[in-house]
Amino acid sequence: RKEVEQDPGPFNVPEGATVAFNCTYSNSASQSFFWYRQDCRKEPKLLMSVYSSGNEDGRFTAQLNRASQYISLLIRDSKLSDSATYLCVVNGDTGFQKLVFGTGTRLLVSP
Amino acid sequence: DGGITQSPKYLFRKEGQNVTLSCEQNLNHDAMYWYRQDPGQGLRLIYYSQIVNDFQKGDIAEGYSVSREKKESFPLTVTSAQKNPTAFYLCASSIGDRSEQYFGPGTRLTVT
Repeated sequence: RKEVEQDPGPFNVPEGATVAFNCTYSNSASQSFFWYRQDCRKEPKLLMSVYSSGNEDGRFTAQLNRASQYISLLIRDSKLSDSATYLCVVNGDTGFQKLVFGTGTRLLVSP
Repeated sequence: DGGITQSPKYLFRKEGQNVTLSCEQNLNHDAMYWYRQDPGQGLRLIYYSQIVNDFQKGDIAEGYSVSREKKESFPLTVTSAQKNPTAFYLCASSIGDRSEQYFGPGTRLTVT
């Protein structure tokens, strides 16, 4: 089983739609969770950290479910500029912050 | 402006040659990392450094070497021993070893 698993997509949605991605992780001892966004042939950029209580940043909401070992990202009112690959990232050890990256979920927002 | 710079953006080399990729940060971050990304795969950790003059192997260190002589700089050498060096190489840094990591723009290395 992969340490971090994501549906590769692509998710094709129209502008204004709401879309949600899930990600599962295998290490129950993981303490840190992140969503990164990666545009084609560019570096990953931190979108948001995911806290136990969940967190929201504008149109983006992240949730953590420790019991089921998954994290989610909800995007409301999708924009064309949201088209990208979204990487789920989890720290693999409780010691050094070794991050384990999922292979990403591709989102395509169309007019 | 604070940030992480990597150079060059594109690099072409012949098989059998060593090549050094540059990574510089002015964020005053203690920890720095090197990853490689291949199509359809997640980022994989090559080396990391939590402090100057100290670094550790990541998951795929074979065929690579690094140095950390200055806090700002963490160059990566891809040696001729690396069997599949063609990839997108990403450098990252973080304040400490438990915080978010920020990435440089990457170097695309092609070895023929």
